[in-house]
Amino acid sequence: GIQVEQSPPDLILQEGANSTLRCNFSDSVNNLQWFHQNPWGQLINLFYIPSGTKQNGRLSATTVATERYSLLYISSSQTTDSGVYFCAGGATNKLIFGTGTLLAVQP
Amino acid sequence: KAGVTQTPRYLIKTRGQQVTLSCSPISGHRSVSWYQQTPGQGLQFLFEYFSETQRNKGNFPGRFSGRQFSNSRSEMNVSTLELGDSALYLCASSVGPADTEAFFGQGTRLTVV
Repeated sequence: GIQVEQSPPDLILQEGANSTLRCNFSDSVNNLQWFHQNPWGQLINLFYIPSGTKQNGRLSATTVATERYSLLYISSSQTTDSGVYFCAGGATNKLIFGTGTLLAVQP
Repeated sequence: KAGVTQTPRYLIKTRGQQVTLSCSPISGHRSVSWYQQTPGQGLQFLFEYFSETQRNKGNFPGRFSGRQFSNSRSEMNVSTLELGDSALYLCASSVGPADTEAFFGQGTRLTVV
C-alpha cells in the first residue's frame, strides 16, 4: 500500500522562527491534507491541497503531485503552534496518514 | 454549521466487554470514516460508510464493526475488548468519498483495563 513519510519527526523552535515540514508519498494520491492535532486529540484542518500552493495567515502549503511530496511552511512561529502535524494522502476511499511531526515552539 | 460530533469523549472498559462509539457527521455529509490512533501504530483506517453501505475496510479483526443510519450518523462497535484496543478513535465526515476532504470529530478516548 501507499506509504506516507513525514520529516522531521521532531522539531524544536524558538518563537518567531520559520520552519518547513515535509511529506513524501510512495505513490500517487488523489489529494493531500495537512492537520494539526490539538492537545485534546482533535485533528484540525489546515489545508486541503491536492496540488499547487495555498496560504492561510502565517501558514502556507505546497503540493507537487507529480513528484509526490507536499510542504507545510510555518512562519513567525508562536507557542500556540506547538503540537503534532500530520499529512494524509487520499486514495482508495481512505486517508493514509504519515507518522507526524512533533513541533515544540519555545518562548 | 455544527462540526463532527463524537460521543462519548472518554470511556473505560474492562477486557472482554464490548463498546459502542457514536459519530454524527456534518450536516449534508454522507461519508463517515473511522480511524484508530495509538502511539505504536499511528493513525490507521478502520472503515468507511457511505449511504449506509460499508465501502472500505481496513486491516482490523472482525471484532471491529460499524454501521451507518439513514441520517448518516454512524456507530462503531468493538466486541471482546483487549488491552491493545486502548486508543483514540477518530471519526471523519466527508461530502464525497473518504479520500476527499475530511473533517474530524474530537475523538473518543477508550481505555481498556
